[in-house]
Amino acid sequence: GENVEQHPSTLSVQEGDSAVIKCTYSDSASNYFPWYKQELGKRPQLIIDIRSNVGEKKDQRIAVTLNKTAKHFSLHITETQPEDSAVYFCAASMGGGNKLTFGTGTQLKVEL
Amino acid sequence: GAVVSQHPSWVICKSGTSVKIECRSLDFQATTMFWYRQFPKQSLMLMATSNEGSKATYEQGVEKDKFLINHASLTLSTLTVTSAHPEDSSFYICSARDTTLGETQYFGPGTRLLVL
Repeated sequence: GENVEQHPSTLSVQEGDSAVIKCTYSDSASNYFPWYKQELGKRPQLIIDIRSNVGEKKDQRIAVTLNKTAKHFSLHITETQPEDSAVYFCAASMGGGNKLTFGTGTQLKVEL
Repeated sequence: GAVVSQHPSWVICKSGTSVKIECRSLDFQATTMFWYRQFPKQSLMLMATSNEGSKATYEQGVEKDKFLINHASLTLSTLTVTSAHPEDSSFYICSARDTTLGETQYFGPGTRLLVL
């Protein structure tokens, strides 16, 4: 089955700096890669996603890049703000309503 | 749109009792819902895929007789933890996909279960 690895497990940045979280997946059949943000005790919220026919997608301060050949995808957050502090999960799926396999999560802390 | 609710939000029960958790898609129909378990400071682990009108598909290592799933309608799936024990204490979250909106899975707010 699919295996998703995520790094780093914790990330601390200064407000205004950029943050990058990286994931790798094992199943070349995966073609849908969402990123979720989860605040303590709350539900995961989708922040951005990308399909395998696209190499990069951007939404304001958030961007995701995908390298299908290397089976890598990354989340980039620019101009970080304290409210970006949360746990971020990457995930992979074969699409078509199939199950998501989640990475292990990254605790992001944005310090003032 | 695409709102998923769960009930109850938290429950405390005695060891040996059964607990039912409901997951509802409020403004869309969901032929498939997913049930996850999340332990503190850990990732979401898929327990099973719930399919409307058919048997759920359980992930390896998940006891289907202990975690009963019923998906009787296009807006409701239930997870029953039978004969709960302290090691079943966890955060249970469901998700559902609105097929009209593509691949996105929308998560419920979760149910925190504490078994004494």
